[in-house]
Amino acid sequence: DIVLTQSPASLAVSLGQRATISCRASQSVATSDSSYIHWYQQQPGQSPKLLIKYASNLESGVPARFSGSGSGTDFTLNIHPVEEEDTATYYCHHSWEIPWTFGGGTKLEIK
Amino acid sequence: QVQLQQPGAELVKPGASVNLSCKASGYTFTSYWMHWVKQRPGQGLEWIGEINPTNGRTYYNERFKNMASLTVDKSSSTAYMQLSSLTSEDSAVYYCARYYYALDCWGQGTSVTVSS
Repeated sequence: DIVLTQSPASLAVSLGQRATISCRASQSVATSDSSYIHWYQQQPGQSPKLLIKYASNLESGVPARFSGSGSGTDFTLNIHPVEEEDTATYYCHHSWEIPWTFGGGTKLEIK
Repeated sequence: QVQLQQPGAELVKPGASVNLSCKASGYTFTSYWMHWVKQRPGQGLEWIGEINPTNGRTYYNERFKNMASLTVDKSSSTAYMQLSSLTSEDSAVYYCARYYYALDCWGQGTSVTVSS
C-alpha cells in the first residue's frame, strides 16, 4: 500500500499568516500529466470536504486562499491568509491505485 | 443540490452485522462511483471500497474484503454497506462519498457503536 506521510502533525498559525502542510508519498503518484493527490478539510464534528484535486486544482466554491502544489512524491497545501474558520484537520489522499489511502492528518489551530 | 443522506447512529452487538445506507439525491445516481470510508474516534480516514452503481462492480481494500459488502438499489438511488462479524475495533463513523475526479461530496456519516 502507498503510505502518505503528512507533516507537521499539528501547527498553530497566527491569523492572516501562512499555513503550509506537507504530504509525502512512499512512491510516485503522478504521471507527466496528472498527480493523483487530493486534499480535504475536516472541521470539528463535520464530514471531510474536498479542497484541492489532482494536486493543484481548486474545487469549485473553495476560497482562493487555499492552494496546492507538488509532483512525484512531494506535495504541499498552502493556506494564506489563514482565517478563524480554517481551524480544522487537513488530509491528503491518493487515488493512484487500490487501496486508496489517506495521510495521517494535520491539525491546524489559528492563534 | 447534491446530497448523500446517512442515518446518524447504529448500535450493534459484538459478532452481529449491520447494513448502512446512503441515499443519494440531486444527481444521476448511476453516473458516479460511490466510496465508503471509516474513521475511528479521534483517528484518521481509512478507505474501505467502492462500487459502480451502474453494474454493481466493486473494489475493496484487502483489509475489509472479508467484512464489508457493498451493494446498491438503483430504484431508490441508495448505496449500502453491510459490515459483518463486528468487534469493538469496528466502532467508528462510516462515510459514503461520491467520486467525481476526487471524493467531492460526503455524507454526514453513520456512527456505529459495537457494544453488548
